[in-house]
Amino acid sequence: EDKVVQSPLSLVVHEGDTVTLNCSYEVTNFRSLLWYKQEKKAPTFLFMLTSSGIEKKSGRLSSILDKKELSSILNITATQTGDSAIYLCASRNYGGSQGNLIFGKGTKLSVKP
Amino acid sequence: GAGVSQSPSNKVTEKGKDVELRCDPISGHTALYWYRQSLGQGLEFLIYFQGNSAPDKSGLPSDRFSAERTGGSVSTLTIQRTQQEDSAVYLCASSLIVGTSGANVLTFGAGSRLTVL
Repeated sequence: EDKVVQSPLSLVVHEGDTVTLNCSYEVTNFRSLLWYKQEKKAPTFLFMLTSSGIEKKSGRLSSILDKKELSSILNITATQTGDSAIYLCASRNYGGSQGNLIFGKGTKLSVKP
Repeated sequence: GAGVSQSPSNKVTEKGKDVELRCDPISGHTALYWYRQSLGQGLEFLIYFQGNSAPDKSGLPSDRFSAERTGGSVSTLTIQRTQQEDSAVYLCASSLIVGTSGANVLTFGAGSRLTVL
């Protein structure tokens, strides 16, 4: 059964800390990995990763995919209270169930002032 | 439209009543997904539509849940005889046709928050 596992499930840090969120996947016919940030309502797209070892970066956020380890990490440096959110990762697959897309349960990040 | 539109944004209903939640995807997006999200939890897949193909209903939790998509665009999720455990945020998302390079990224609506008293 295809699955995506995120860790930790929740995390509390203080402003200025650096955090690393993990996502591992066990899926058939992997295509790409997606990261989303969800604050109050709609998840918003952060990154799409298809190639191993190539870092994607946006401001203080960066992410990288390791196809050998079947995993990805999302790094946030110099965290701010506005980074508090649920971070979701999803595996996009060729064929398969759930519309070719499997989500993890998310990591809830809380950044304290 | 410019984004995925969902209505109502909030719905409070009494146990046993039927509810309908609507999703208007981005124009030209042929793939449409429904998810359910309980407070502080991840996304629970409900149903997936892709063009004119038969929908993947494998995530619907019971036969009280159904969804349709008319004309390949607007979708309605119907919950019959609502129960308190149905209380959640129901999110809709759309993407370009799966299998193309642009289909990887889903765009989500703001969700419909359902509260069953």
